[in-house]
Parts: sequence; structure tokens; C-alpha cells
Amino acid sequence: GQNIDQPTEMTATEGAIVQINCTYQTSGFNGLFWYQQHAGEAPTFLSYNVLDGLEEKGRFSSFLSRSKGYSYLLLKELQMKDSASYLCAVNTNAGKSTFGDGTTLTVKP
Amino acid sequence: DGGITQSPKYLFRKEGQNVTLSCEQNLNHDAMYWYRQDPGQGLRLIYYSQIVNDFQKGDIAEGYSVSREKKESFPLTVTSAQKNPTAFYLCASLGLGPNEQFFGPGTRLTVL
Repeated sequence: GQNIDQPTEMTATEGAIVQINCTYQTSGFNGLFWYQQHAGEAPTFLSYNVLDGLEEKGRFSSFLSRSKGYSYLLLKELQMKDSASYLCAVNTNAGKSTFGDGTTLTVKP
Repeated sequence: DGGITQSPKYLFRKEGQNVTLSCEQNLNHDAMYWYRQDPGQGLRLIYYSQIVNDFQKGDIAEGYSVSREKKESFPLTVTSAQKNPTAFYLCASLGLGPNEQFFGPGTRLTVL
């Protein structure tokens, strides 16, 4: 099976930087997704990492280390609208895509 | 515009009735997924399909059934055997190159 762990909650200040970690254990790893989900809405795609390293996309960056079963999502220049849940999901070679329980981020003024 | 549609947005059913949730995509994606989300929790995989006429059980398939007769469509039936069907149901599809998984807007099912 798959085991995906994320912190349940995090709080940060507007304008700051926050790092949300995700650790996983799985067989047949094929890639790792990060999503943003606002309350009551569907998740929106942020990033997909297949190879080790950092991928930057505007204020958001995602890092992957396959040997350590570890990823993080880095959010820079935090804005109030970044308050949301951030979901880590692992995709396997068998096509199965499984989510962690998500991290609820609260951005304070 | 390309995307994934789910209908209806809100659905109410009486206990003991089967109900089918629709999911349609025009992104030409091969893989499609159904998830369930309960309040304050993450997404749990119900069923997934990588190709037409083939699908696999996810982590919580009991009480659910699916079909994949067309590439564009992946309907989910919530049967009366599902003990706690009230939840937010999300459908997603996955494309290759670049790998992006898109979600539909979701269906909130309430069983009375």
C-alpha cells in the first residue's frame, strides 16, 4: 500500500515563506502531485514532480527526493488568498493516485 | 474549452436508493479517477481507470461501482450497500506530457 504523511495544520504571516513537507512510502513510484484546495471547492493542480530536484513556478516551488521519499511545497511572498488546504498525492506505475490528508495553511496579516 | 464536468453539483437521495454520478472529460485523457472527501479530511480513492473498458478498485471501493465504456465518460454508482454515502465526490482525469491531473467541480451527495 501507500503511506503519505503531511502536517495537519500550519500558520504563517502574509509576505513570509512557508514550506509544507510530505513524506511517502510506496512501491512503483511514478511521480508526486501537489494541489491547492479552498474550502468547498475542488482541488486545483499546482505541480507534478517525477525527477529529483526543485521545480519553480512563480511563487510556488516543489522539491522531490525519491531516495528519501520526501517532497516539499514552498510558497513565497504569502498572500491572504493562499489560505487553503495543500494536498500531496503519489502516483504509481500501476496508475493509482493516492492522496495524503492535506495540510491546512492559515495566512495571517 | 477543455475540461471535466460533473453533474449535478448537489444531489439528494433517500436511503436505500442507488444513485449514479456523472463525469465527462473532453481533454482526451486516458486515465480517470473517482475520489470521496469527507469534511475536514483528505481524498480517498474509490475507483480508477487507465483505459477504456478497464478499471481497478481503489482503497474504498465497497458499495460503489463504475463503468468505462467511452474514453470521455466514467460514471460512478453509489449503491445501497454503501453504509455512509453522504460525502463530496470528485472526479479527475490525468494526461501525459505534461503530467497534469485535473478535477471536476465535484458532486455533493446527501442521503436522507
